[in-house]
Amino acid sequence: GAVVSQHPSRVICKSGTSVKIECRSLDFQATTMFWYRQFPKQSLMLMATSNEGSKATYEQGVEKDKFLINHASLTLSTLTVTSAHPEDSSFYICSARGDPRGPQHFGDGTRLSIL
Amino acid sequence: SQQGEEDPQALSIQEGENATMNCSYKTSINNLQWYRQNSGRGLVHLILIRSNEREKHSGRLRVTLDTSKKSSSLLITASRAADTASYFCATELNQAGTALIFGKGTTLSVSS
Repeated sequence: GAVVSQHPSRVICKSGTSVKIECRSLDFQATTMFWYRQFPKQSLMLMATSNEGSKATYEQGVEKDKFLINHASLTLSTLTVTSAHPEDSSFYICSARGDPRGPQHFGDGTRLSIL
Repeated sequence: SQQGEEDPQALSIQEGENATMNCSYKTSINNLQWYRQNSGRGLVHLILIRSNEREKHSGRLRVTLDTSKKSSSLLITASRAADTASYFCATELNQAGTALIFGKGTTLSVSS
């Protein structure tokens, strides 16, 4: 089956640090990748939709300058949380889709903790 | 934005009992999916039901979909302690390439 690898699985860093999270589709080409954020005991909230070779589309309320998304190839999308602060601490999950009509395949998530 | 609302928010049952979770959504969909998430972990895809289907089974799982009421239910029969997790419904809209939109989830606790 289709596998999406997300790395790192956990990050703990100081306030002000920028953190990059990678999302890779291992055995298929992902035309579209999605980034979600999940706060404790809450649901997944869509942050942005990323298409290979074009700018990401951000959901309302998500700062594009804060959460930089790069989808430079058909198998890799990155999310960079710039100048992270404690309120950015969350569980970030990516997903990837090959066929626009096909299923989304999810990574295992990255737990980001900003001290 | 969130599309789905699940109820109950939390459910506690004994092993062997059945657990029913409900999900309602707002707009027309292509399909509805159910996911499980163990605490602090990623998502596990459970089952997908298309808009033209009314019921689907997978092992101890039974999912129904009522598009006229814009609602779905997930039934877990003969529950086990290992079923303890959060369960989310997610809807896929008719437009190709759009993201899944998740409901708020139901936290299920199964005690032995």
